[in-house]
Amino acid sequence: EVELLESGGGLLQPGGPLRLSCEASGFTFSDYGMTWVRQAPGKGLECVSRITAGGSHTYYADSVKGRVTISRDNSRNTLYLQIDTLRVDDTAVYYCATVHSDDYHFDNWGRGTLVTVSS
Amino acid sequence: DIQLTQSPSTLSASVGDTVTISCRASQSVNYWLAWYQQKPGKAPKLLIYQAFTLDRGVPSRFSGGGSGTEFTLTISSLQPDDFATYYCQQYNKYWTFGQGTKVEI
Repeated sequence: EVELLESGGGLLQPGGPLRLSCEASGFTFSDYGMTWVRQAPGKGLECVSRITAGGSHTYYADSVKGRVTISRDNSRNTLYLQIDTLRVDDTAVYYCATVHSDDYHFDNWGRGTLVTVSS
Repeated sequence: DIQLTQSPSTLSASVGDTVTISCRASQSVNYWLAWYQQKPGKAPKLLIYQAFTLDRGVPSRFSGGGSGTEFTLTISSLQPDDFATYYCQQYNKYWTFGQGTKVEI
């Protein structure tokens, strides 16, 4: 069974850094692209970033470009999202999800981790 | 960026009803459209991809249609478990979601 477990959220200060992790199990992690999707309180879904299976290609939403780095460690079955300078509007639940290898929709999702940015 | 507009934003229905949610794209996404269901406090769940292909385990009362810029999600004989928010997503060029449609009693 596919399992994705996000961690690293919490109450954080504006301007500070954040690193989220997503531990994967139940499938061959290195075969799948991965993505981070966030959802601000009471709002819709936003694809923040995506990384290919081997890690060589990445995508970033305009809202985070230049502040965020997605990475993965296939030896540890773990996906990361680094935000260098947090803003209040980064407050959201952050989900990691698998990207279907042939079709590029998001087929398995974690439960999410809440990031609250406030002074 | 490709924008997706869902209608309606909120839909009131009863158990047993058939409901249809629309999703319009700002430019053609061919068949590269998915639908997700989300319940409060839970992660989204994939229902349909490639506009009309049901994900494994999804009940057959869910159906998707359309192509290009106009898409629909239809739920036949609405069940209590179906009251949720539904999102469309295009993956023709990067990934964007619609704003969501809440199906409520």
